[in-house]
Amino acid sequence: EPEVTQTPSHQVTQMGQEVILRCVPISNHLYFYWYRQILGQKVEFLVSFYNNEISEKSEIFDDQFSVERPDGSNFTLKIRSTKLEDSAMYFCASSVLGREGAFFGQGTRLTVV
Amino acid sequence: DQQVKQNSPSLSVQEGRISILNCDYTNSMFDYFLWYKKYPAEGPTFLISISSIKDKNEDGRFTVFLNKSAKHLSLHIVPSQPGDSAVYFCAASARSQGGSEKLVFGKGTKLTVNP
Repeated sequence: EPEVTQTPSHQVTQMGQEVILRCVPISNHLYFYWYRQILGQKVEFLVSFYNNEISEKSEIFDDQFSVERPDGSNFTLKIRSTKLEDSAMYFCASSVLGREGAFFGQGTRLTVV
Repeated sequence: DQQVKQNSPSLSVQEGRISILNCDYTNSMFDYFLWYKKYPAEGPTFLISISSIKDKNEDGRFTVFLNKSAKHLSLHIVPSQPGDSAVYFCAASARSQGGSEKLVFGKGTKLTVNP
């Protein structure tokens, strides 16, 4: 069964450092998403990406965040200068069309120290 | 901003009985609803969805009911099995201009099915 894969599974970084979280969406999917879940809180939408551009982003997705689809298969989330409050589980998701359940990866646990 | 609310943080049922998980929403623009199951250290797994033009959708042991007037939906699992023990998230989406249809999640309900 096709699945969304994310690497790394766990990333520890120092405050102020840049991190890149990587995702390989399901191959025939057209919509790509990043969500995050801070410990004990809801899963929150960060950004959606379609046709090589951001289609929607949340208030959380400020100038410190960026997304890229560098080679037609990978989908990355970059945080330029990490803050302690960026510590969370980050989930990548993809869907064929926006109008159905997105498939989620297993997540990357980001710990900022 | 609690557009999607799951008021029960936990639910415990006996194996073989029915599990009923509830979800309320406030945004009348939501027109598509989903349930996800999540095990520890894994991503959410899509279970079942329902469009606002329907009031019921069934898939095997899982049935979702939607009451638009009450802005309420529920997930029924029958019969419940120990392997169903997980956190269940309700999610909703509204058709957006860009068509991305982001999901708005509830806080989740931890279901424990006891053998």
